[in-house]
Amino acid sequence: EAQVTQNPRYLITVTGKKLTVTCSQNMNHEYMSWYRQDPGLGLRQIYYSMNVEVTDKGDVPEGYKVSRKEKRNFPLILESPSPNQTSLYFCASSRQVYGTGELFFGEGSRLTVL
Amino acid sequence: GENVEQHPSTLSVQEGDSAVIKCTYSDSASNYFPWYKQELGKRPQLIIDIRSNVGEKKDQRIAVTLNKTAKHFSLHITETQPEDSAVYFCAAERGGADGLTFGKGTHLIIQP
Repeated sequence: EAQVTQNPRYLITVTGKKLTVTCSQNMNHEYMSWYRQDPGLGLRQIYYSMNVEVTDKGDVPEGYKVSRKEKRNFPLILESPSPNQTSLYFCASSRQVYGTGELFFGEGSRLTVL
Repeated sequence: GENVEQHPSTLSVQEGDSAVIKCTYSDSASNYFPWYKQELGKRPQLIIDIRSNVGEKKDQRIAVTLNKTAKHFSLHITETQPEDSAVYFCAAERGGADGLTFGKGTHLIIQP
């Protein structure tokens, strides 16, 4: 089954404790991206990647890091989480690189930072 | 960069009536306009999209219209049903690797 898998789905952590949200897709997609969803603000792009070892900042990259060492994986790293990073996070992938076309989203990871 | 405005933020309609959600975009170079539906507790999923060389596209009860001159596009849902209740996001993309810019979403409520 074609899918984008995120882990963990739910996480409560404390300020400053490094965490990683993993994302994996099995569709051989070139393009992968991370979004955060907050009430009243819609979906905002954090980082994206057009291919292995190629990543770039989205609209709200502050406080986040990513890596793309393999085509299928695109982890999101919060080096020192803060309460304003409490949010619902979605990983997404797309077959197309230039012009994303349809985005396939993971199920989401709800993060709470105390 | 691109800016997408979406209205209304909440829309309540009677079952069987039509619903219209409107979006405007700022970048005249944008050429791809998808709509995503997000049911409660679920992931967003693409329901329909339109490219700039087309003025209207229809898929059963859902249609999207695009006015490039005015830089706005709309989602039309006819004969609404309870399963249409969800948050709907419009988005715009100019091509290149910038990706999609999403509107803030419309919570559509279908009243029985």
